[in-house]
Amino acid sequence: GQNIDQPTEMTATEGAIVQINCTYQTSGFNGLFWYQQHAGEAPTFLSYNVLDGLEEKGRFSSFLSRSKGYSYLLLKELQMKDSASYLCAVILGGGSQGNLIFGKGTKLSVKP
Amino acid sequence: ETGVTQSPTHLIKTRGQQVTLRCSSQSGHNTVSWYQQALGQGPQFIFQYYREEENGRGNFPPRFSGLQFPNYSSELNVNALELDDSALYLCASSLDQGKSEKLFFGSGTQLSVL
Repeated sequence: GQNIDQPTEMTATEGAIVQINCTYQTSGFNGLFWYQQHAGEAPTFLSYNVLDGLEEKGRFSSFLSRSKGYSYLLLKELQMKDSASYLCAVILGGGSQGNLIFGKGTKLSVKP
Repeated sequence: ETGVTQSPTHLIKTRGQQVTLRCSSQSGHNTVSWYQQALGQGPQFIFQYYREEENGRGNFPPRFSGLQFPNYSSELNVNALELDDSALYLCASSLDQGKSEKLFFGSGTQLSVL
């Protein structure tokens, strides 16, 4: 079976840095995505990693280690609007991008 | 704004009924996928259509079926509704089937089965 694990909930303070971890055990791997989902809204794309290392995009960075089956999303200079669920998703080998295996999501609450 | 619209936004049905959910993708997006997201869970892949043909399916029974039309719209049909079908149904489109293509999600249809 496919298994993707993320913490259920996290809390952080406005202006701080938070790291959301994701571990995966899947039958194949062709990339890992992070999506942000505000309550009642569509998931929106944050990042895509297929090679090991860190990808930085403004306040958000994503890291991947394929040998460890591990990724994290780093959010800097937290803002209240960053309160949302963050979804880690893996695309399996041979599959197209539409077939993503999602984790259950991490609900992040940013407090003043 | 992702350019993907879904209708209706909310729907209430009773067990045993049938439902059709609709999605309008961005113009030019040949691939559409449907996901089911139960409360507190991540989205689960139902199936994908590419140029009007189903080309991938998740672990969902045959009573979940779909259609994709040439005008970049698509449908998800669910027959013989069960209580566990209550969930947010998300449609997502992409330009092509490449592995790094971004998926653009609609805001979903919240289905409640009573």
